[in-house]
Amino acid sequence: DAGVIQSPRHEVTEMGQEVTLRCKPISGHDYLFWYRQTMMRGLELLIYFNNNVPIDDSGMPEDRFSAKMPNASFSTLKIQPSEPRDSAVYFCASSLGPLGTFGSGTRLTVV
Amino acid sequence: AQTVTQSQPEMSVQEAETVTLSCTYDTSESDYYLFWYKQPPSRQMILVIRQEAYKQQNATENRFSVNFQKAAKSFSLKISDSQLGDAAMYFCAYRHGSGYALNFGKGTSLLVTP
Repeated sequence: DAGVIQSPRHEVTEMGQEVTLRCKPISGHDYLFWYRQTMMRGLELLIYFNNNVPIDDSGMPEDRFSAKMPNASFSTLKIQPSEPRDSAVYFCASSLGPLGTFGSGTRLTVV
Repeated sequence: AQTVTQSQPEMSVQEAETVTLSCTYDTSESDYYLFWYKQPPSRQMILVIRQEAYKQQNATENRFSVNFQKAAKSFSLKISDSQLGDAAMYFCAYRHGSGYALNFGKGTSLLVTP
């Protein structure tokens, strides 16, 4: 089991550019979560899916953020256009039941 | 909304000693789970220990144990025989019983000195 796989590990982009973060959950897990970690706000839930369907996206900060889960083995978080305040570590996690497993995160820097 | 509060931004402990990290939470629910996660510099989120609210017995995992005070809404983590590898950020988290998303505290940075 390779765990939750996120790519890229680091991303540096210029303000205004589109950024796509990717996540491959653990096979068989039916829940997928996207979290964002910043110094100011800590770890906060952005959105989560159950069986590929978005359940709660109330944490998505703005319309610039969108997330998709086209199938059980892949999810994306897209920011368009990106802004410096989007700089953070973005975590993907998946679960089957009450325990979740986190990916290693993507550190996004928007300059 | 449930809130999780970690009142200690930083803690320090000497190797082989014991340290306790504090966490309080606010909820009106009776069915929930509480967790402690460790985040080392590698930034990987590692589950340390979990506690089901319906269980009266405090959870224990090797050198890690919790003091779960349901009435006081307190969930502290005790690390015994601290090791250098325990140095990390520690996050307390809450999960509603029928939900799956985690609500995190702001974290406590633990420094372990030789």
